[in-house]
Amino acid sequence: AQSVTQPDIHITVSEGASLELRCNYSYGATPYLFWYVQSPGQGLQLLLKYFSGDTLVQGIKGFEAEFKRSQSSFNLRKPSVHWSDAAEYFCAVFSGNTGKLIFGQGTTLQVKP
Amino acid sequence: DSGVTQTPKHLITATGQRVTLRCSPRSGDLSVYWYQQSLDQGLQFLIQYYNGEERAKGNILERFSAQQFPDLHSELNLSSLELGDSALYFCASSVDLSTGELFFGEGSRLTVL
Repeated sequence: AQSVTQPDIHITVSEGASLELRCNYSYGATPYLFWYVQSPGQGLQLLLKYFSGDTLVQGIKGFEAEFKRSQSSFNLRKPSVHWSDAAEYFCAVFSGNTGKLIFGQGTTLQVKP
Repeated sequence: DSGVTQTPKHLITATGQRVTLRCSPRSGDLSVYWYQQSLDQGLQFLIQYYNGEERAKGNILERFSAQQFPDLHSELNLSSLELGDSALYFCASSVDLSTGELFFGEGSRLTVL
């Protein structure tokens, strides 16, 4: 069955430092992959998506992610974190067979001043 | 603003009661998804509709039901409520079924006392 694993439940970084959030997926075919962000009290906002082609995808707010098929990973990165990036981040995989978007458990990002 | 509208934003009710959550998708989107978010279960897919027809079902309890109306808005009905049903319920919409790119509303927070 399709699944998504986000190994880090909670990450704390200093403002201005670089960030990498990990995501591993399990899916038989070429996956459609997503990163969403949820700020406190808000819904989920799409940060970026990977469907095919270039394995390094750019998103909003300065985020990027790299698809690595050999590692079944889709890690999210940002070169310099801002205090406003503090939120919960969800990785997701879309199953075309079932029509479901399956989410990981989420990673909470805390940004230290 | 994602364009997806959910009402009510907050709801407090008692065990055994029944509530209805409403969702209006983005203009032009034919597909509606319902998700439940709780601390212990994370984001769980409940059900999906496309142009009025049920297309995919997830971990939706028998006490819960949903439908999508001809004007494409959707309602999620939760009955015989239990304490464990307290959660944030998200609606999301997409223009089609092929990619899994969803746009989320801000959610309806249900508290069962």
